[in-house]
Amino acid sequence: AQSVAQPEDQVNVAEGNPLTVKCTYSVSGNPYLFWYVQYPNRGLQFLLKYITGDNLVKGSYGFEAEFNKSQTSFHLKKPSALVSDSALYFCAVRVRYNQGGKLIFGQGTELSVKP
Amino acid sequence: NAGVTQTPKFQVLKTGQSMTLQCAQDMNHEYMSWYRQDPGMGLRLIHYSVGAGITDQGEVPNGYNVSRSTTEDFPLRLLSAAPSQTSVYFCASSHRVNTEAFFGQGTRLTVV
Repeated sequence: AQSVAQPEDQVNVAEGNPLTVKCTYSVSGNPYLFWYVQYPNRGLQFLLKYITGDNLVKGSYGFEAEFNKSQTSFHLKKPSALVSDSALYFCAVRVRYNQGGKLIFGQGTELSVKP
Repeated sequence: NAGVTQTPKFQVLKTGQSMTLQCAQDMNHEYMSWYRQDPGMGLRLIHYSVGAGITDQGEVPNGYNVSRSTTEDFPLRLLSAAPSQTSVYFCASSHRVNTEAFFGQGTRLTVV
């Protein structure tokens, strides 16, 4: 079965420190991978995606993510966290072929950045 | 562009009532989907559509119906509301399978 796992329900980081939000996936074939952020009482906003090519992808608000095919991971990173980065983060994978482009989400990781 | 518009934003239903959650997008996207978000469970796919006239079931379709008569609109119908359908519902659309999805602001539904 296709699945996405975010092993940490919550990540706590001090402002100015680097942050990592972890994501692993299990799909057949080559995946399309996405990160979304959700602020309270809002919809999901797109941060970045991996389709093909360079394993390090850069996205909005200074975030980046590293695709690791051998470890089936797509961890989200930021060199220096801001208090305003505090939000709920979702990793998602889109299945190719015969699946209608369905997005499969992880359960979400709550990021808390303290001053 | 308005993007993806969902109505209503909030709704309270009594058990057994029916209602339709509206979703419209103005980006001419082919792919549209409905998700429900529950604490600790991420977003689960209810139904999706790859174009007008084409719909299919997602992970949790029971109790919900959809139709896609136009590219722009993808309404979600609750046939007979149950307390287990208390959730936040999101509609999303995307242009292609390898492009990002755009989400509506969500509908917070409470069934009492």
